[in-house]
Amino acid sequence: EAQVTQNPRYLITVTGKKLTVTCSQNMNHEYMSWYRQDPGLGLRQIYYSMNVEVTDKGDVPEGYKVSRKEKRNFPLILESPSPNQTSLYFCASRVGGLGHKLFFGSGTQLSVL
Amino acid sequence: SQQGEEDPQALSIQEGENATMNCSYKTSINNLQWYRQNSGRGLVHLILIRSNEREKHSGRLRVTLDTSKKSSSLLITASRAADTASYFCATDLNQAGTALIFGKGTTLSVSS
Repeated sequence: EAQVTQNPRYLITVTGKKLTVTCSQNMNHEYMSWYRQDPGLGLRQIYYSMNVEVTDKGDVPEGYKVSRKEKRNFPLILESPSPNQTSLYFCASRVGGLGHKLFFGSGTQLSVL
Repeated sequence: SQQGEEDPQALSIQEGENATMNCSYKTSINNLQWYRQNSGRGLVHLILIRSNEREKHSGRLRVTLDTSKKSSSLLITASRAADTASYFCATDLNQAGTALIFGKGTTLSVSS
């Protein structure tokens, strides 16, 4: 089954404790992206990757890191989480280029205390 | 950077009624997509309409696109309680395909 798998689904952590949210897709998609969703602000792009070893900043990259060492994986790293990073996070992937739909993971609800 | 804006923000209807949601966008587009999100879950793609298309159907969904008005509408006919969800329009930020920009969504509630 074609899917984007995100883990964990829920995560509660404390300020400053490094964490990684994993994302994996099994569709051989070139493009992958991370979004965060906040009430009243909608979905905002954090980082994206057009292919292996190619990553770039989205609208709200501060406080986040990503890597794309393999085509299927695109982890999101919070090196020193802060409470303003409490949010619902989504990983998504698609075939590269325009006119293709995004496939989303189930989301990770992160709470930073 | 927000491209699309949905209207209304919230919509409540009875089962069997039609639901219409609108999306306005700011710049020229290659295509426009609609997505659905059940509470707190990942978005699911519904339909894509290209800039040279005016109308597209998929089951109970009908999407129209008016590039002269920079607007699109999503019509769900004969709504069911299971259609209760948030609906988002999305457009590509640029020709390089680096980002899909989403509106803030319309929350649809269908009561039985």
